[in-house]
Amino acid sequence: DSGVTQTPKHLITATGQRVTLRCSPRSGDLSVYWYQQSLDQGLQFLIHYYNGEERAKGNILERFSAQQFPDLHSELNLSSLELGDSALYFCASSVGAGLNEKLFFGSGTQLSVL
Amino acid sequence: GDSVTQMEGPVTLSEEAFLTINCTYTATGYPSLFWYVQYPGEGLQLLLKATKADDKGSNKGFEATYRKETTSFHLEKGSVQVSDSAVYFCALSDRTGNMLTFGGGTRLMVKP
Repeated sequence: DSGVTQTPKHLITATGQRVTLRCSPRSGDLSVYWYQQSLDQGLQFLIHYYNGEERAKGNILERFSAQQFPDLHSELNLSSLELGDSALYFCASSVGAGLNEKLFFGSGTQLSVL
Repeated sequence: GDSVTQMEGPVTLSEEAFLTINCTYTATGYPSLFWYVQYPGEGLQLLLKATKADDKGSNKGFEATYRKETTSFHLEKGSVQVSDSAVYFCALSDRTGNMLTFGGGTRLMVKP
């Protein structure tokens, strides 16, 4: 158990809908990262937050947004969903935001868009 | 941009066989290099890392050496076990440490 909690574990929805994925980092970790794992794109970095502030953005679509709250949990919002958004979404956390931080990954949220 | 290339799987081995999973990278500067492992139904776990050229990362019998001249970070294990069956990801960290770039993953299957 990594200590990172992601909910829900599975999500099935329809095209055009909006969903929210939630991540609770390990106790004491200030950084939260979001990754998307799909069959065709592999593991792709989406976004990184550190202590409530956005630190880096990767290949995140404009239809997607995220935030980190004062209690350090994070939410990833996916809107106007398309079939191609079906993927496993991972959250990871780390203590800080520097080089060589050890990331702890949650078990992921499996999103299926039908 | 940065990229990581891994050998495609699946790699199927018998127990106690020698394992090599190749990984090469393209990056500016001197990134840190990582191997992560993903067991079925779980998130990724850090297996080992190396932060500078010629460093050797090791953990649980797995090793990888940061080779700057060949831009490689191949994963090796002398004697695999059935419990090593998983997907292995090679990754590099950008200069800020804010993001990891992953390879496509290599599935390892070890048969008794």
